[in-house]
Amino acid sequence: TQLLEQSPQFLSIQEGENLTVYCNSSSVFSSLQWYRQEPGEGPVLLVTVVTGGEVKKLKRLTFQFGDARKDSSLHITAAQPGDTGLYLCAGHHQKLVFGQGTRLTINP
Amino acid sequence: NAGVTQTPKFQVLKTGQSMTLQCAQDMNHNSMYWYRQDPGMGLRLIYYSASEGTTDKGEVPNGYNVSRLNKREFSLRLESAAPSQTSVYFCASSDRWNSGNTIYFGEGSWLTVV
Repeated sequence: TQLLEQSPQFLSIQEGENLTVYCNSSSVFSSLQWYRQEPGEGPVLLVTVVTGGEVKKLKRLTFQFGDARKDSSLHITAAQPGDTGLYLCAGHHQKLVFGQGTRLTINP
Repeated sequence: NAGVTQTPKFQVLKTGQSMTLQCAQDMNHNSMYWYRQDPGMGLRLIYYSASEGTTDKGEVPNGYNVSRLNKREFSLRLESAAPSQTSVYFCASSDRWNSGNTIYFGEGSWLTVV
């Protein structure tokens, strides 16, 4: 049973479009992280959110932690080819658990 | 700064063979981890070491053993490899266990069992 469900699993869009990736669970997390992974490399941390309702921005990326700390979203504005990669959410619930990932492709 | 270094990068094994994946971190982290990554499954924790001298099972420990050799090094051993263990393996470390700290990953080891 996947504790964290990410959607969509695959997303291919054109450069300049906006997108949102979702990370959902029935469990409450003490904190939630988003990682980005490029081919042939390990995941790299983008952000950690701790407080319910928290919003963090990283240039064109906006991360939100749900009020109940059960879900999170990642919104990318004006996507660029350099945003291509696998995006993983990970929640701290007794142990750190990862979602299955969203493979994002931005086409020029 | 090397961060987390794991070897080998690629390995092909025959069913029943054994091998050890080596991992070292140079960030003076207390906690180290071994994950496997399979398509559509995300990252699943195999074993972890919250601190030097301790190791614990994660989600998918069967068929694996680990050794926390010292604070820097954490190895993963497959005693009798099976095709189901074909995967990409990641070693990782963090300052403290389950604290919301950043987890730093190695570049991965691609293992194929035939």
